[in-house]
Amino acid sequence: QSALTQPASVSGSPGQSITISCTGTSSDVGSYDFVSWYQQHPGKAPKLMIYEASKRPSGVSNRFSGSKSGNTASLTISGLQAEDEADYYCCSYAGSRLFGGGTKLTVL
Amino acid sequence: EVQLVESGGGLVQPGGSLRLSCAASGFTFSFYWMSWVRQAPGKGLEWVANIKEDGSEKYYVDSVKGRFTISRDNAKKSLYLQMNSLRAEDTAVYYCARDDYFGDWGQGTLVTVSS
Repeated sequence: QSALTQPASVSGSPGQSITISCTGTSSDVGSYDFVSWYQQHPGKAPKLMIYEASKRPSGVSNRFSGSKSGNTASLTISGLQAEDEADYYCCSYAGSRLFGGGTKLTVL
Repeated sequence: EVQLVESGGGLVQPGGSLRLSCAASGFTFSFYWMSWVRQAPGKGLEWVANIKEDGSEKYYVDSVKGRFTISRDNAKKSLYLQMNSLRAEDTAVYYCARDDYFGDWGQGTLVTVSS
C-alpha cells in the first residue's frame, strides 16, 4: 500500500488558521472514520492530536480539530502559535495501519 | 501514567540480527494490541507490525515480512521485535506504541544497519 498523501509543507502566521489535508482511497481513509493525526517535534516521539477523524484526546488544545470527507481527512489548527511548528502525520487504521508522508508546519 | 520503554537498538552489519524490547507500565498490557512503528533518519513514520492482545494474530508491512517477527509476553508486560536479515533501509528509530490510535509511544530506540 502507498502512503497517504499530505502536502510536504504548510505555513502560517501567528493567530492564523491552517489546514493540512490527507488523501487516501476508499480502502483506507474513505472506508471508516479511523483516521488519526500526530504532532512530532524534532527529536521527540509523535503525540496523538486527533483520533477517529475528529475526536480530541484529553489535554489536546481545542485549537486542533479534524474532519473527513470522502477519501480526504483534514487537520485544522486555529490561532497558530509558535509552539505549533512541527511535523504532522495522518494515519489510517482501518485494517492495516498506513501513515501519510508528513507535513512540515512553519509558523512565520 | 502510561510508560513504554524501548531497548535493544544499536549498530549491526547488513544481514545481521537484532532483538528489540519494549517494557510497558501504567496500563493493563494484556488488554491492548501493540505495534512497532519506525522512522528512518529525516523521513516519515512507517508502521512495521502489530500483535493482538493474546498474540494470536500478527500483521506486518510487506517490506519486513519473512524477516521480522513481533511477539509479546503479557506476564512480563513486554513487546518484542526480532529483526533478521537486516538491510541498510531498516535503519531507523523504532518506536513501540499502544495500538489504540497510537495514543501512547515510547521514546524510541535507534537501529543502524551499516558495514
